[in-house]
Amino acid sequence: NAGVTQTPKFQVLKTGQSMTLQCAQDMNHEYMSWYRQDPGMGLRLIHYSVGAGITDQGEVPNGYNVSRSTTEDFPLRLLSAAPSQTSVYFCASSSPSGRETQYFGPGTRLLVL
Amino acid sequence: GDSVTQMEGPVTLSEEAFLTINCTYTATGYPSLFWYVQYPGEGLQLLLKATKADDKGSNKGFEATYRKETTSFHLEKGSVQVSDSAVYFCALGGSSYKLIFGSGTRLLVRP
Repeated sequence: NAGVTQTPKFQVLKTGQSMTLQCAQDMNHEYMSWYRQDPGMGLRLIHYSVGAGITDQGEVPNGYNVSRSTTEDFPLRLLSAAPSQTSVYFCASSSPSGRETQYFGPGTRLLVL
Repeated sequence: GDSVTQMEGPVTLSEEAFLTINCTYTATGYPSLFWYVQYPGEGLQLLLKATKADDKGSNKGFEATYRKETTSFHLEKGSVQVSDSAVYFCALGGSSYKLIFGSGTRLLVRP
């Protein structure tokens, strides 16, 4: 079991560039989500999905797109990177209940210049 | 809306000292409560959880009791080690799929 995997581990972008952060899980979890972590602000929910073909916005969705074509994968797309998107991004998955443990990937550190 | 408030850090302790990290919450209904830990350079991992009032979660010497009357879930450990140095997050999970996180408390344990 690999759990939740994320690629890349680190990325540098220039303002205006686009990129996709990859997330995959092998636990057959229906629920997947993306968070960003900024100093002193904890984790903030960007987008989440409760199953293939279903996505919804979290607390800070602007500038990001997601899709969920399979149960396993949940990529996060930055359409036009901005310095304000410099952050550490975590993907998580869980069984379909807020009461259940969420499993986190190792994170992607993104620097936008 | 639902929210979680944690004590601000950093918390600096000597090895073998007693640890308390305060966490209080605001929620409708009966949420589950979690403590996650993030070691340097890593993602978050579950430390312990409690799913109903008066439940005590425990793991690796850490404990937290779900107190509905005080809406609290304070994290405690009787004797910390240098290897416990990390950031600790309190979180709340309710009837929706979302986890609500506190801002995190950094713990530094000195030899």
